Amino acid sequence: DIQMTQSPSSLSASVGDRVTITCRASQSISNYLNWYQWKPGKAPKLLIYAASSLQNEVPSRFSGSGSGTDFTLTISSLQPEDFATYYCQQSYSNPAFGGGTKVEIK
Amino acid sequence: QVQLQESGPGLVKPSQTLSLTCTVSGGSISSGNYYWTWFRQPAGKGLEWIGRIYSSGSTYYNSSLNSRVTISADTSANQFSLKLSSVSAADTAVYYCARGDTGNKFPLYFHPWGQGTLVTVSS
Repeated sequence: DIQMTQSPSSLSASVGDRVTITCRASQSISNYLNWYQWKPGKAPKLLIYAASSLQNEVPSRFSGSGSGTDFTLTISSLQPEDFATYYCQQSYSNPAFGGGTKVEIK
Repeated sequence: QVQLQESGPGLVKPSQTLSLTCTVSGGSISSGNYYWTWFRQPAGKGLEWIGRIYSSGSTYYNSSLNSRVTISADTSANQFSLKLSSVSAADTAVYYCARGDTGNKFPLYFHPWGQGTLVTVSS
């Protein structure tokens, strides 16, 4: 099975900060990598699919990059509504998720 | 706009069968090429894929749960359901349903999702 490792597991940042979250796969997954945003009590939200494609209606401050085993989610200027937990997920085989990154207010 | 909503008992006794339903609105589960999927997340733990049912009716399950899981669809009600038998405290989790977009062999991504429903296994 493919294992997904996210880092950091949590971070503190301020509004306006640039935030980067990384995700590493245990084997090459090409660009079969998605990013989701989780907020308590709300439906999880797809942000990025196929490593770098922005899902419809997702703000352009979110971007994704990478291929093979190493991937990055970047929030260019953190907004108040972005404080949440973010998960990567590989779709190269049966779904597997990273452990999550909780973005908290500094 | 397609929306998903989980429903079912929030408390299940050990050794019994957990049953959840995902109601889909804004689109038909029998049209298009989608994987209707169940996930779960125990408190403080990672997300786990449980299984999926294709729009054709084919099912695929996580091998770690395979012997206890059944996913089915009711196209007349536009719902799909999860049954997990012989539950224990380890099955206590938030359960999510989601729609998977078709890839070559596996869903490319999942969108949209339901809000999730907490199921506690306890006597």
